[in-house]
Amino acid sequence: DAKTTQPPSMDCAEGRAANLPCNHSTISGNEYVYWYRQIHSQGPQYIIHGLKNNETNEMASLIITEDRKSSTLILPHATLRDTAVYYCIVGNFNKFYFGSGTKLNVKP
Amino acid sequence: GAVVSQHPSRVICKSGTSVKIECRSLDFQATTMFWYRQFPKQSLMLMATSNEGSKATYEQGVEKDKFLINHASLTLSTLTVTSAHPEDSSFYICSASRFSGANEKLFFGSGTQLSVL
Repeated sequence: DAKTTQPPSMDCAEGRAANLPCNHSTISGNEYVYWYRQIHSQGPQYIIHGLKNNETNEMASLIITEDRKSSTLILPHATLRDTAVYYCIVGNFNKFYFGSGTKLNVKP
Repeated sequence: GAVVSQHPSRVICKSGTSVKIECRSLDFQATTMFWYRQFPKQSLMLMATSNEGSKATYEQGVEKDKFLINHASLTLSTLTVTSAHPEDSSFYICSASRFSGANEKLFFGSGTQLSVL
């Protein structure tokens, strides 16, 4: 079962940073935090993942709190094409349970 | 990057018929594959996990005789929806991982929209 809590929706202005929060207070020591996004009627796209250190790649940054009970995905300069449902998942390769996700609406 | 191909992308069938969906890892060997289903405006629900050469493990509430999963090789898994009914209409998505490790991520196919008339 999903172990994450996310706001159902968020708005962001085009060109601004989008900060998407995720609560995962029951995360266990060997579980990673993953972020995926899904654009309508497509398969989920991998964004980033991390264990306890902050991570950055060409798509986004992931900030994980020191107690690992929450994290934030940062899209530094949101574009209209970033409009999607963003899923925060806690787990490892054995099981990936999706929560309800956050619908990010990027507006011009 | 790792690519997962899913076929067909869309299928329409009559009630009572069976439908097979294929999931292939194109440029890597998938030790584990997962099957999800997604109803409109809902999240993905994990149906089953399959490892090459062994029986699939189904999530609670998923009928194994209804949704037959075969993982005959390291690059191919199939999901067969047997005796499909309108309530089986859904978006089915497969995913695969390259290796067994806590740091591995899943790669997803593009999904199959099944419509049962």
